[in-house]
Amino acid sequence: SQQGEEDPQALSIQEGENATMNCSYKTSINNLQWYRQNSGRGLVHLILIRSNEREKHSGRLRVTLDTSKKSSSLLITASRAADTASYFCATDANAAGNKLTFGGGTRVLVKP
Amino acid sequence: EPEVTQTPSHQVTQMGQEVILRCVPISNHLYFYWYRQILGQKVEFLVSFYNNEISEKSEIFDDQFSVERPDGSNFTLKIRSTKLEDSAMYFCASRSTGTDLYEQYFGPGTRLTVT
Repeated sequence: SQQGEEDPQALSIQEGENATMNCSYKTSINNLQWYRQNSGRGLVHLILIRSNEREKHSGRLRVTLDTSKKSSSLLITASRAADTASYFCATDANAAGNKLTFGGGTRVLVKP
Repeated sequence: EPEVTQTPSHQVTQMGQEVILRCVPISNHLYFYWYRQILGQKVEFLVSFYNNEISEKSEIFDDQFSVERPDGSNFTLKIRSTKLEDSAMYFCASRSTGTDLYEQYFGPGTRLTVT
């Protein structure tokens, strides 16, 4: 798989349930960032986790990072209909300029 | 809360025409980026820019593309002679130069349609 691949590709849950999505990558990274994109709109930064961190929380979001497995997970707890969006992981391999390499995203549908 | 802005939100142009996409990064940020997302595909890196020069560019960013920071606030992407395959959403992003501040903040995008 390519750098920054998410699974599942799509997820459908009921409001109030938790949503978990995973991201795998191939190269060493400086940090990994998660973004949300509503249909046809811009990318909203959610959370950044550094390579020396294992877990991070922000509100209803919980991100984990396992550098030995080159994987990360994003958990959204107590989901709401407004969480319906595509979620992308993006890795920063600390190249010059710190470009981000994005995965293909997970489409999350939260049904009311 | 400061945010990245982009204009126009939608640009329609004919093949072979030049287009300039404009971005106003967050005011105290000094790293700037352009990415693009072809419909239904991944977000792809185009170019990064710091200290008035390109830091890195992708294979997509060929001689038809150029970037410029013409003044203290704008950051532009120019496509000299557009092709059909340039149709995509183009995102500008910026980040701070503070120590350990790597978060990139994206603008709302410009949808470019080449006919």
